[in-house]
Amino acid sequence: AQSVTQLGSHVSVSEGALVLLRCNYSSSVPPYLFWYVQYPNQGLQLLLKYTTGATLVKGINGFEAEFKKSETSFHLTKPSAHMSDAAEYFCAVSDLWTSYGKLTFGQGTILTVHP
Amino acid sequence: NAGVTQTPKFQVLKTGQSMTLQCAQDMNHNSMYWYRQDPGMGLRLIYYSASEGTTDKGEVPNGYNVSRLNKREFSLRLESAAPSQTSVYFCASSERGQGAYEQYFGPGTRLTVT
Repeated sequence: AQSVTQLGSHVSVSEGALVLLRCNYSSSVPPYLFWYVQYPNQGLQLLLKYTTGATLVKGINGFEAEFKKSETSFHLTKPSAHMSDAAEYFCAVSDLWTSYGKLTFGQGTILTVHP
Repeated sequence: NAGVTQTPKFQVLKTGQSMTLQCAQDMNHNSMYWYRQDPGMGLRLIYYSASEGTTDKGEVPNGYNVSRLNKREFSLRLESAAPSQTSVYFCASSERGQGAYEQYFGPGTRLTVT
């Protein structure tokens, strides 16, 4: 079985500061890893994904994440926060060997950006 | 190209009532999914359909049924609603591409059971 743990249900940063959202996963097989963002009263939008190859992946809106197999982590970062980044962020894992793309989500991290 | 659409957007039910949540996608995806979102618990998979004509249980299937009507449509039915089913429900679809399934989500249905 797979699982995802997001450390910190709420993260608060100042505008212009570094954003770091933590995600650790558990998987018995090589995983696919995803970060999704949810703005208030909306559905989820894909930020970025790791499948194979380069472990540092870049996504939309200046976000990036690094897959570290030894640490079973996939932390999301952005060098400089913007007010528009305020949202809830979800890390998710999918089994490489599953043919149907089922996702297991973390609990979510609400990002607040202060002026 | 509307992506994934869901109806209704909001619904209030009394305990014991039934209803069907509708989902449709226009991206010609084979796989479709139903999730529920509860505060502090992320999204949990209720049912999924790998392809037209197949459905399988996810993590939290009790109290729900699904129908994959055709390739485009995947409905979720609550036969006898309970307050524990108060949640936001999301439908998603995906297709295998670039070695991974990227899921596209609908806007959600906010359901309250009183």
